[in-house]
Amino acid sequence: EADIYQTPRYLVIGTGKKITLECSQTMGHDKMYWYQQDPGMELHLIHYSYGVNSTEKGDLSSESTVSRIRTEHFPLTLESARPSHTSQYLCASSEATGTLNLGEQYFGPGTRLTVT
Amino acid sequence: KNQVEQSPQSLIILEGKNCTLQCNYTVSPFSNLRWYKQDTGRGPVSLTIMTFSENTKSNGRYTATLDADTKQSSLHITASQLSDSASYICVVSDRGSTLGRLYFGRGTQLTVWP
Repeated sequence: EADIYQTPRYLVIGTGKKITLECSQTMGHDKMYWYQQDPGMELHLIHYSYGVNSTEKGDLSSESTVSRIRTEHFPLTLESARPSHTSQYLCASSEATGTLNLGEQYFGPGTRLTVT
Repeated sequence: KNQVEQSPQSLIILEGKNCTLQCNYTVSPFSNLRWYKQDTGRGPVSLTIMTFSENTKSNGRYTATLDADTKQSSLHITASQLSDSASYICVVSDRGSTLGRLYFGRGTQLTVWP
């Protein structure tokens, strides 16, 4: 079982609220990722990080922001939640992989966010 | 455009039966193909990973095959169990990017009935 944790697991919040989704891993992985997944749909990469103080936007445009101050911690923040942000958010991490990208990506259990 | 297509979208089988899930991809340059199992409300868990030089790989009752020429893969589940009920996701990685970018299929939702 992977050592990657997400909190909260479920969150129901009103429109306009600021929220932070937490993600932590204890494997010492440099690379971390945030994905968004709607029911029955594929995972979409929204943010990623190569290491401390490195963050980049992914393929899917997102109003969320991320930070990477410590290797083990990669929180995602929404300044003003809207109903369109309702989705499942999955955090993942992997070790350095080289150009063949063979490194395993380990996923957290996800946060199910509902904005009312 | 890099894409991963899976079929069928959903499948219902009886406990003890075998089944095969399909995956077609257009990701290039290809590096490796992975099959993940995702239980409802959980994150995906890796079942197998295959590079272009591998044709088949097994993990218990799960056997994945890869044809890099036709860009097709399959996941065969033998003697299904109720705990096999989950979404099975085909994921393809490209070669050359330091990100380790993964391209995800939408998954096949498998339901095993007693």
